[in-house]
Amino acid sequence: DAGVIQSPRHEVTEMGQEVTLRCKPISGHNSLFWYRQTMMRGLELLIYFNNNVPIDDSGMPEDRFSAKMPNASFSTLKIQPSEPRDSAVYFCASSFGASGSYEQYFGPGTRLTVT
Amino acid sequence: AQSVTQLGSHVSVSEGALVLLRCNYSSSVPPYLFWYVQYPNQGLQLLLKYTSAATLVKGINGFEAEFKKSETSFHLTKPSAHMSDAAEYFCAVSSGGYQKVTFGIGTKLQVIP
Repeated sequence: DAGVIQSPRHEVTEMGQEVTLRCKPISGHNSLFWYRQTMMRGLELLIYFNNNVPIDDSGMPEDRFSAKMPNASFSTLKIQPSEPRDSAVYFCASSFGASGSYEQYFGPGTRLTVT
Repeated sequence: AQSVTQLGSHVSVSEGALVLLRCNYSSSVPPYLFWYVQYPNQGLQLLLKYTSAATLVKGINGFEAEFKKSETSFHLTKPSAHMSDAAEYFCAVSSGGYQKVTFGIGTKLQVIP
């Protein structure tokens, strides 16, 4: 298996622009997570999907952030408009099963820089 | 509510020395506990996990961790550090039924030759 695939790996954009991050989870996994990692706040869970349905989006910072999962093999995280404080590494992770005992498989991340 | 505290954001050890990374957790129900490792410019990968079976858990690359309920701890150890162990290590806890995992702030391990 190719693992969790994220694109792009690096994104540099100007403040105010729309940014779309993409994720392909591992085939057969039914749970998908979006995280943000910064030096100041560490690893934060933004949103969690189970069977393509958003279960918990309490970590989404504000209305500028939105996430979709139109099918089991694809998810997007959109920031519109982007701000410099959104600069971070964004990780997508997937797992199988409905129990908290299952490990999460992380993608390589997208490093976002907003200037 | 659940939380994780990792003591020491940076730890330095000599090559061949014992590695000890500390993690204390808080959970209102019996927890699932994890250690993940992150190498530079990569995502996190699982080292080991505790799911209420044996309290001493062995993971990859010679790492192990012991669940101590009385101390609410899940410290990560390795008898002899290798240069390739230099990375950031995250302790994580899950106590909810829908897989929400709370990660610690991470501990960067430096291995000195």
